[in-house]
Amino acid sequence: EAGVAQSPRYKIIEKRQSVAFWCNPISGHATLYWYQQILGQGPKLLIQFQNNGVVDDSQLPKDRFSAERLKGVDSTLKIQPAKLEDSAVYLCASSLVLDNEQFFGPGTRLTVL
Amino acid sequence: AQSVTQPDIHITVSEGASLELRCNYSYGATPYLFWYVQSPGQGLQLLLKYFSGDTLVQGIKGFEAEFKRSQSSFNLRKPSVHWSDAAEYFCAVVLQTGANNLFFGTGTRLTVIP
Repeated sequence: EAGVAQSPRYKIIEKRQSVAFWCNPISGHATLYWYQQILGQGPKLLIQFQNNGVVDDSQLPKDRFSAERLKGVDSTLKIQPAKLEDSAVYLCASSLVLDNEQFFGPGTRLTVL
Repeated sequence: AQSVTQPDIHITVSEGASLELRCNYSYGATPYLFWYVQSPGQGLQLLLKYFSGDTLVQGIKGFEAEFKRSQSSFNLRKPSVHWSDAAEYFCAVVLQTGANNLFFGTGTRLTVIP
């Protein structure tokens, strides 16, 4: 079974630029999560989708972050414009249903200069 | 405030020695409890989880964890550490009500010396 795929694996941008990350969950998984992991900290949930609807986006900085999951499969997370403090690893995870085990992708490491 | 605490930022053990990583939580009710491992450049992998029932939980790679309600703890143990166990370990909780949101501790980095 293929795991959660994420791209790109690494991204370096200047502050105030825009960036987008892509996630392809495990086939058949209805729930998709985006986490932000700042160096030295545990992952923090940014947004959670159930199919193509948002379940929880209370921790998403909506003035600069946006996410979508069109057709309830792939998802993109965008930052526009980026700040220095957005430097982190962005992890995508998926689960079969809402209260099931989450499987994580390898993450995208973002560096904002 | 609700929280997950991993008091040890970094632990170093010799290969073959026993290991215990500490985790405490602070919530009104018993949450679902998890331990994840993260190797460099890798995603998070679930080691084990506790929902209810037997308080001693067996996981993958020879790990186990014990839930102690009286101490609000869920410590991870392994009787004999292998060099390949060197990684970052995260304790996490999911509140039993609401969405399936994982709340993570700050992690413990494990170094294994030969």
